[in-house]
Amino acid sequence: ETGVTQTPRHLVMGMTNKKSLKCEQHLGHNAMYWYKQSAKKPLELMFVYSLEERVENNSVPSRFSPECPNSSHLFLHLHTLQPEDSALYLCASSQPGQYNSPLHFGNGTRLTVT
Amino acid sequence: AQKITQTQPGMFVQEKEAVTLDCTYDTSDPSYGLFWYKQPSSGEMIFLIYQGSYDQQNATEGRYSLNFQKARKSANLVISASQLGDSAMYFCAMREKGSSNTGKLIFGQGTTLQVKP
Repeated sequence: ETGVTQTPRHLVMGMTNKKSLKCEQHLGHNAMYWYKQSAKKPLELMFVYSLEERVENNSVPSRFSPECPNSSHLFLHLHTLQPEDSALYLCASSQPGQYNSPLHFGNGTRLTVT
Repeated sequence: AQKITQTQPGMFVQEKEAVTLDCTYDTSDPSYGLFWYKQPSSGEMIFLIYQGSYDQQNATEGRYSLNFQKARKSANLVISASQLGDSAMYFCAMREKGSSNTGKLIFGQGTTLQVKP
């Protein structure tokens, strides 16, 4: 399997639930990212991991908790979310240091919070 | 401050015609890279084309070309011979040299393109 794979594709959860989004990349990249895409807004960078170390956290509420156990896997743990957290969550990977290296994205998880 | 601006929320183009999607950016970094992505309704983000700030020539990839005007800080995407499958949302993005350790991209708001048969 190649590229970036995200599971699940769709997720509906209540505000009191706990769920996790999973991302796996098979490209040998050293950096992984979580972006949030809400309707009619630019993609918002949430977290960056480089060599399994969190290097950026863009003021994301603590109800979103990322985990990067190795350079191929990235998780986003969700708990006590709000309806405004409903969005498309995109995972990406890249090779930092290669300036023209694009981000490679997964298909995203469409999250609905009820 | 908005670093990437795409002023066209929606565009229409007739099949087989060319279309230009606008992108302006703001940076004080002399070294940066500009990227364009396509997002079909399925949600995946597909990388289309890259332009480096020091590249002497405009980037081209098949039917995609980038009209890079550095002094104006614009990097417009030109799609030639539009096809029905080009209907999608298109995003312009930038990487500044200062972000080289993370590799992160900053995205514009996107432009929705609809190709008419």
